[in-house]
Amino acid sequence: DAGVIQSPRHEVTEMGQEVTLRCKPISGHNSLFWYRQTMMRGLELLIYFNNNVPIDDSGMPEDRFSAKMPNASFSTLKIQPSEPRDSAVYFCASSLSRTGSNYDQPQHFGDGTRLSIL
Amino acid sequence: AQSVTQLGSHVSVSEGALVLLRCNYSSSVPPYLFWYVQYPNQGLQLLLKYTSAATLVKGINGFEAEFKKSETSFHLTKPSAHMSDAAEYFCAVSDRGGANSKLTFGKGITLSVRP
Repeated sequence: DAGVIQSPRHEVTEMGQEVTLRCKPISGHNSLFWYRQTMMRGLELLIYFNNNVPIDDSGMPEDRFSAKMPNASFSTLKIQPSEPRDSAVYFCASSLSRTGSNYDQPQHFGDGTRLSIL
Repeated sequence: AQSVTQLGSHVSVSEGALVLLRCNYSSSVPPYLFWYVQYPNQGLQLLLKYTSAATLVKGINGFEAEFKKSETSFHLTKPSAHMSDAAEYFCAVSDRGGANSKLTFGKGITLSVRP
């Protein structure tokens, strides 16, 4: 089975440019998560969606960051304008969450996008 | 609020030695607990999870973890380390929020295995 697919795997761009990261979750999963990983701050949850609806975006660093999930099979994380401090590895993860149940499925991670802002 | 503490950032063991990676959690409700492993240039992979069944949980690659409520711990162990175990390991706790649950990760521990 295909796992979580992220693109691009690597992105190098200049400060001020718009950056769009893409994620295709595992088919059938209804929760999607965007994380950022840096040496200094570790793994941070930026935003997560359930059934395509943003549930918690409190981890989004600032207004330059935005995320969308137009359908169950696609999500984007956009940074505009980008800054050098945005350089990090960005992960997307998906899971199946069952409403009304206390059983919690684990999250499945993509291989990440390594973003470098010059 | 929930949190995870992973003491130390780096553990080094000899090949064949016991691996012990510590994790303590804080949660206002009975938690779900997870261990993930991250190999270089890859995403996180689930090693094992605790969801209130047996307190001793067996995972992939010979790893296991024991949930100890009295100690609020979920330490990861493997009897005999292999070179391929060198990676970063993350402990995580879930708030059991059902559809709206999310994971809180520890800072991770890098495991090195010496030949």
